Amino acid sequence: DAGITQSPRHKVTETGTPVTLRCHQTENHRYMYWYRQDPGHGLRLIHYSYGVKDTDKGEVSDGYSVSRSKTEDFLLTLESATSSQTSVYFCAISERKDRGHYEQYFGPGTRLTVT
Amino acid sequence: QKEVEQDPGPLSVPEGAIVSLNCTYSNSAFQYFMWYRQYSRKGPELLMYTYSSGNKEDGRFTAQVDKSSKYISLFIRDSQPSDSATYLCAMSSLYNFNKFYFGSGTKLNVKP
Repeated sequence: DAGITQSPRHKVTETGTPVTLRCHQTENHRYMYWYRQDPGHGLRLIHYSYGVKDTDKGEVSDGYSVSRSKTEDFLLTLESATSSQTSVYFCAISERKDRGHYEQYFGPGTRLTVT
Repeated sequence: QKEVEQDPGPLSVPEGAIVSLNCTYSNSAFQYFMWYRQYSRKGPELLMYTYSSGNKEDGRFTAQVDKSSKYISLFIRDSQPSDSATYLCAMSSLYNFNKFYFGSGTKLNVKP
C-alpha cells in the first residue's frame, strides 16, 4: 500500500457536465499519474506530474486536464464529460528503489459512468 | 503496433497446474520489467520486478526475461484459485525511467 486514495470511488454523471477526480498520497512522492483502463486497451496514460505545477500529457489526454498545487494531491478534470470517457480511472505514483529504478504503485480506482 | 503485446486470454487451468504468462515487446531500450496482479474491481498491485535479463524467483512465482527475443514470462507453480486475476506486464527504459508501458493484461482463472 503506497498510501494512495482516490475520490470518489464511484460516480455517475451526465454528458456535458464537468467532473473532477482526486488522487491523494501521503508519502511525498514526486511523480504521480492518471490512467484509464478499458477492456481490450489495458492501462492508458492520460497525464502525469513530476512535481508541483509540473505536468505533461500522456497518450490519451484529449478532453482531460490536470492540476497539482500540492505534492500530495493530483486532480483530473473532465471539462465536459462524454460517454467515451466512461471508464475506470487509476491514479499511480512511482517510487525510486535501491537499484535506481522506479516502481509504480496504484490507487484503488474510480469507476466513472457518463450517461 | 503496440510497444508491449500480451495475450488477453482468458486462460483457464486446474488447481495445481503450472501457469505461463507472457509478453513481447519491441523497444530494445527496456531494461526494467514488472508484473502486476489485478483482482476484479481493484487496482493493480506490483507482484514482481526484474532488471535486464535473467530469472527471479519469489515463492511460487518466477519472472524470466529474454532480452535477445524481447520476451518476458511469469510462471506460477502450484496455482491456486486465489491466483485467479488479471496479470499485467509493464516495462520502462533506462532513458525514461518514469514512463511505464503496460500490456493489456491476461485474465487467469484457476479452477478448484
